[in-house]
Amino acid sequence: QLQLQESGPGLVKPSETLSLTCTVSDGSISSSSYFWGWIRQPPGKGLAWIGTIYYRGTTYYYPSLKSRVAISVDTSKNQFSLMLSSVTAADTAVYYCARGNSGKRDAFDIWGQGTMVTVSS
Amino acid sequence: DIQMTQSPSSLSASVGDRVTITCRASQSIGNYLNWYQQKPGQAPKLLIYGASSLQSGVPSRFSGSGSGTDFTLTVSSLQPEDFATYSCQQSSSTPWTFGQGTKVEIK
Repeated sequence: QLQLQESGPGLVKPSETLSLTCTVSDGSISSSSYFWGWIRQPPGKGLAWIGTIYYRGTTYYYPSLKSRVAISVDTSKNQFSLMLSSVTAADTAVYYCARGNSGKRDAFDIWGQGTMVTVSS
Repeated sequence: DIQMTQSPSSLSASVGDRVTITCRASQSIGNYLNWYQQKPGQAPKLLIYGASSLQSGVPSRFSGSGSGTDFTLTVSSLQPEDFATYSCQQSSSTPWTFGQGTKVEIK
């Protein structure tokens, strides 16, 4: 069973860049049937999609974050990454990476366990 | 953006109850509607995709219906492990959006 694992700093200072990596294990990131996404959840709030990348590199981002976000893929390492610049306290959240399944109406069918990122000085 | 509105925001129910949660989209999304279950401290888990297709391994007491703008998630007989938060998500067009969640609590 394919697994996803997020990694990165749990504390980021305001105005700096949040950087997270998702490692895909027991499966390949290079499949046209799937895509890869980042979703976040502020404390006590609902889920919010950040963006998605296909293994060939095509990306889609939430419009209000587009100027600050970049998602990239490294097929040689079976990883994809999130960078979010100029962070503020509003970016404090649990960040999840997930696999999207084109054969299941683009639902996110496998999720990482999530990693808490706090923005604070 | 397509807005997803769930109702109720929370509900109290007993083991064995039939529970229905509603999700409404601000515009038609066909059947590009997915349901997730999330327990405290855990990642979301896909329950239903394409409005009515049961994800592999999910108990058959869970079912989904609807198309266009109005959707429902039904749990036919609530079990102790079903007390959780349920969220809908539209994957019809980007930006993909989630409902605010419905918390199912023990009565």
